Amino acid sequence: AQKVTQAQTEISVVEKEDVTLDCVYETRDTTYYLFWYKQPPSGELVFLIRRNSFDEQNEISGRYSWNFQKSTSSFNFTITASQVVDSAVYFCALSELIYNQGGKLIFGQGTELSVKP
Amino acid sequence: DAGVTQSPTHLIKTRGQQVTLRCSPKSGHDTVSWYQQALGQGPQFIFQYYEEEERQRGNFPDRFSGHQFPNYSSELNVNALLLGDSALYLCASSKLSGVTDTQYFGPGTRLTVL
Repeated sequence: AQKVTQAQTEISVVEKEDVTLDCVYETRDTTYYLFWYKQPPSGELVFLIRRNSFDEQNEISGRYSWNFQKSTSSFNFTITASQVVDSAVYFCALSELIYNQGGKLIFGQGTELSVKP
Repeated sequence: DAGVTQSPTHLIKTRGQQVTLRCSPKSGHDTVSWYQQALGQGPQFIFQYYEEEERQRGNFPDRFSGHQFPNYSSELNVNALLLGDSALYLCASSKLSGVTDTQYFGPGTRLTVL
């Protein structure tokens, strides 16, 4: 069965610190997608990144970077020089693929990040 | 370009009642998925609609039903409400393209069952 584990329930850092959010997934599929979403207190899930299982290149977008390692089934997310506005709950998700039916998302429990000034 | 919209924002019901939640997808999207998010948990997949048909369903009882209209908007109906149905209900839209597409979420409807 597919599963996503985010072992860190809460993380608290001081502004400008770097922080890494861990995500470990389980799947038997050879083709799958991984996602990160951000959920601020308003509740709306904001899409951050999508990665497919064939592309293990790390990605950087501004202060955000992602490290995908199939060997350890991990897809970790790092925020460099954190800011108060980064405070939110972050979810890692795995997409189960059924051809031509889109994919349902399987979410982890989320990591609540608190960045203090 | 309007994003995913949901209504109402908040709703309070009592046990045994029925509720209908509404979702309008992002412009250009034709697929709508619904998720339930209990407090402190990750969202759980309820079902997905495409071409006005339910295409996939998660582990939710038949009390949860849905509908998709020709304009791609969607409704989620929950009958015989239980206290445990209290949650944030999230709608996500995507463009079905044969491979998984990114799902974009609306702001959610917070349902409280008393």
